[in-house]
Amino acid sequence: EVQLVESGGGLVQPGGSLRLSCAASGFTFSRYWMSWVRQTPEKGLEWVANIREDGSEKFYVNSVKGRFTISRDNGKNSLYLQMNSLRVEDLAVYYCARDQGGRRRQYRDYWGQGTLVTVSS
Amino acid sequence: QSVLTQAPSVSGAPGQRVTMSCTGSSSNIGADYDVHWYQQLPGTAPKLLIYGNNNRPSGVPDRFSGSKSGASHSLAISGLQAEDEADYYCQSYDSRLSDYVFGTGTKVTVL
Repeated sequence: EVQLVESGGGLVQPGGSLRLSCAASGFTFSRYWMSWVRQTPEKGLEWVANIREDGSEKFYVNSVKGRFTISRDNGKNSLYLQMNSLRVEDLAVYYCARDQGGRRRQYRDYWGQGTLVTVSS
Repeated sequence: QSVLTQAPSVSGAPGQRVTMSCTGSSSNIGADYDVHWYQQLPGTAPKLLIYGNNNRPSGVPDRFSGSKSGASHSLAISGLQAEDEADYYCQSYDSRLSDYVFGTGTKVTVL
């Protein structure tokens, strides 16, 4: 059974940093692209970033470029999102998701339960 | 801001058929990129419902179907059931943004 379990969310002040983790199991992690997707009641679902199977390619939504870094450790079956210079608008539930399909046809076939990131002073 | 537009809500009685649309622009759906659909039950994570416009993952009932008409895509639920009460989101790729984009979401209410 595919399982994705996020951790690392919490309360942080504007300008602060947080590192999210996602532990994957039930599939060969190193064979899949992986994504982070966030959700707020106001903006809905927003794809944040994804990373190639071997970590050689990474893509980001414009609003987080230069502030967030996606990475993975295939030996530990883990996905990460380092979030720096956090802003109030980064407040969201962050989901880890497994990607399927080619670059421009990708979709997310499994999702974690999500972890809440709150940015507030 | 969501790039793909969906009606905020749709409702139907048990057993009825409901449809919801997903519209975009020439840089996403209009460019013939695939549309995928997700179901989000209250308090849970999104779940893949339809991929590649009209394909159902294993375990998804055939009551759910995706279709395309011109520059718009639709999700239909036939034989509506109480357990289908959820939010439904479409997703595609946008070549202008070079990003994956989601719809605004449609809330399905079973009367």
